[in-house]
Amino acid sequence: EAGVTQFPSHSVIEKGQTVTLRCDPISGHDNLYWYRRVMGKEIKFLLHFVKESKQDESGMPNNRFLAERTGGTYSTLKVQPAELEDSGVYFCASSQGYTYLAKNIQYFGAGTRLSVL
Amino acid sequence: GESVGLHLPTLSVQEGDNSIINCAYSNSASDYFIWYKQESGKGPQFIIDIRSNMDKRQGQRVTVLLNKTVKHLSLQIAATQPGDSAVYFCAGSQFYFGTGTSLTVIP
Repeated sequence: EAGVTQFPSHSVIEKGQTVTLRCDPISGHDNLYWYRRVMGKEIKFLLHFVKESKQDESGMPNNRFLAERTGGTYSTLKVQPAELEDSGVYFCASSQGYTYLAKNIQYFGAGTRLSVL
Repeated sequence: GESVGLHLPTLSVQEGDNSIINCAYSNSASDYFIWYKQESGKGPQFIIDIRSNMDKRQGQRVTVLLNKTVKHLSLQIAATQPGDSAVYFCAGSQFYFGTGTSLTVIP
């Protein structure tokens, strides 16, 4: 079974440009999460989808970030326009459920390393 | 708001010794806690979890202890091996992660 896949693995862009990150969750996982880790700091929650709906987007830093999950399958995270402080590693994770522990285990992708110059 | 943090950013242990990685949390409402291991170039991977009504849970070479009185949990790794070198995160049920402890195993 394929795990969570993220694309690209690394993106280098200039300040002001737009970048779109993609995440393909494990097949059958309704729950999809985006996280970000800035160098040396904690992994910060960005948002949580249940199927195509945003269950919780309280972690999105500002309106330059837009996440979508059309059709409830893969998800994209767009940053427009990118700023220097957006640099970091963006992780995507998926899980079967999110309220019952046994189904809440999140499986993470390898992440996308975003470098904004 | 909830916060989950780790006591030490780095930890070095000799191969074969036991490792103890600590984590503190502030929100008592978390139903469970999960430890993740992140190896270089990979995303975090589930290691073990513990429900908030438990004090201890054992896995293969790993044990998690939960002290609700002081809001502290720890991950103990027995007979640490080079393959255990990674960053370890604890997370609560509200999707909050700590800053991670980087474990280095010295051969």
